[in-house]
Amino acid sequence: AQSVAQPEDQVNVAEGNPLTVKCTYSVSGNPYLFWYVQYPNRGLQFLLKYITGDNLVKGSYGFEAEFNKSQTSFHLKKPSALVSDSALYFCAVRDNTGFQKLVFGTGTRLLVSP
Amino acid sequence: ETGVTQTPRHLVMGMTNKKSLKCEQHLGHNAMYWYKQSAKKPLELMFVYNFKEQTENNSVPSRFSPECPNSSHLFLHLHTLQPEDSALYLCASNSQGGGSTDTQYFGPGTRLTVL
Repeated sequence: AQSVAQPEDQVNVAEGNPLTVKCTYSVSGNPYLFWYVQYPNRGLQFLLKYITGDNLVKGSYGFEAEFNKSQTSFHLKKPSALVSDSALYFCAVRDNTGFQKLVFGTGTRLLVSP
Repeated sequence: ETGVTQTPRHLVMGMTNKKSLKCEQHLGHNAMYWYKQSAKKPLELMFVYNFKEQTENNSVPSRFSPECPNSSHLFLHLHTLQPEDSALYLCASNSQGGGSTDTQYFGPGTRLTVL
């Protein structure tokens, strides 16, 4: 079965510093990977996805993610964090056995301090 | 985010009430989803509809009853809920088929509290 793991419940970073939110995955077949962000009392907003091609995927709000097949990882990154990036981040993988349903990680709370 | 709307945004109901959650997508998608988001838990997929046909039901209790009258609208009918059903209920939609993996887009959610 497909699964993703987000090993950190919370990541703290100072504004202006680079940030990384970690995600590892387990899939049978080709992985289709996604990152979403959730602000308080809001739904999930799509940030970026990896289907195929370049291992570095660029997304919304200056975020990017690096696909690493050998390490089965898909870490979310941003070169310079903003206080407004503080939110809950979810990694997800498409379940290749179903009707494209997504399997989500438990989420990582990012806290960017001024 | 405005491509998928959900009403109401907040709902408080007693255990004996009957209520419905509504979701509407304006993106021309053919698949719609209900998820449950509880504190400290991963998002749980509840139901999937593809071209108005229910394609997945993840062992959801019968007190939750979905309805998909067309590809743009999705309802979740609620009756005799339990306090543990209190959660954020999220609707999502995407385009399925053709071998593509189209992104799911989410609505803002309905915060449900069962007293």
